Amino acid sequence: EVQLVDSAGGVVKPGGSLRLSCVGSGFTFSTYGFAWVRQAPGKGLEWVSLISSSTDYIYYADSVKGRFTISRDNAKNSLYLQMNSLRAEDTAVYYCARAYDFWGGSDYFDYWGLGTLVTVSS
Amino acid sequence: EIVMTQSPATLSVSPGERATLSCTASQSVRTNLAWYQQRPGQAPRLLIHGASTRATGIPARFSGSGSETEFTLTISGLQSEDFAVYYCQQYKSWPRTFGQGTKLEIK
Repeated sequence: EVQLVDSAGGVVKPGGSLRLSCVGSGFTFSTYGFAWVRQAPGKGLEWVSLISSSTDYIYYADSVKGRFTISRDNAKNSLYLQMNSLRAEDTAVYYCARAYDFWGGSDYFDYWGLGTLVTVSS
Repeated sequence: EIVMTQSPATLSVSPGERATLSCTASQSVRTNLAWYQQRPGQAPRLLIHGASTRATGIPARFSGSGSETEFTLTISGLQSEDFAVYYCQQYKSWPRTFGQGTKLEIK
């Protein structure tokens, strides 16, 4: 069974940093691209970042470019999101999601984690 | 950035009836369009990819159509578990983008 398990989020002060992680199981982690998608309270989905299977390709939304860094460790079946210079508007549930077929151009998300809440507040 | 616009924002339909949800892209995405369902307190679930291909395990009452800039998600014979929020997403250009969602509520 495919599973994506997000780490716990937390409360961070504006300007602070936080690292999210997501562990995959039930499939060959190293062959898939992964993404982070967030959802502010009561709002819609926002695509944040995506990383290819081999880390050759990385993309970011303009809203987080220069502040967030996506990475992965295939040996640990893990995806990460390092979030720096956090702002109140970064408050959201953050989901990790598996990209079905990045190399084939079909990087829609076929599996999602349960999400983790990040709150940026003083 | 491609802007995805969904309409209506809220749709009220009776159980057993048909719901039609729309998604418009600001520029062509060909058929690189997915639909997701999100129930309250849950993660999104993939319904449709390639504009019209149902994902594994998705009932036949869900159907998608369209290409280029205009897309439709149709749900026939609405069941109680279908009342949720639906999002479209393009995967043609970077950054990928979602529509703002359509809330399907019970009439």
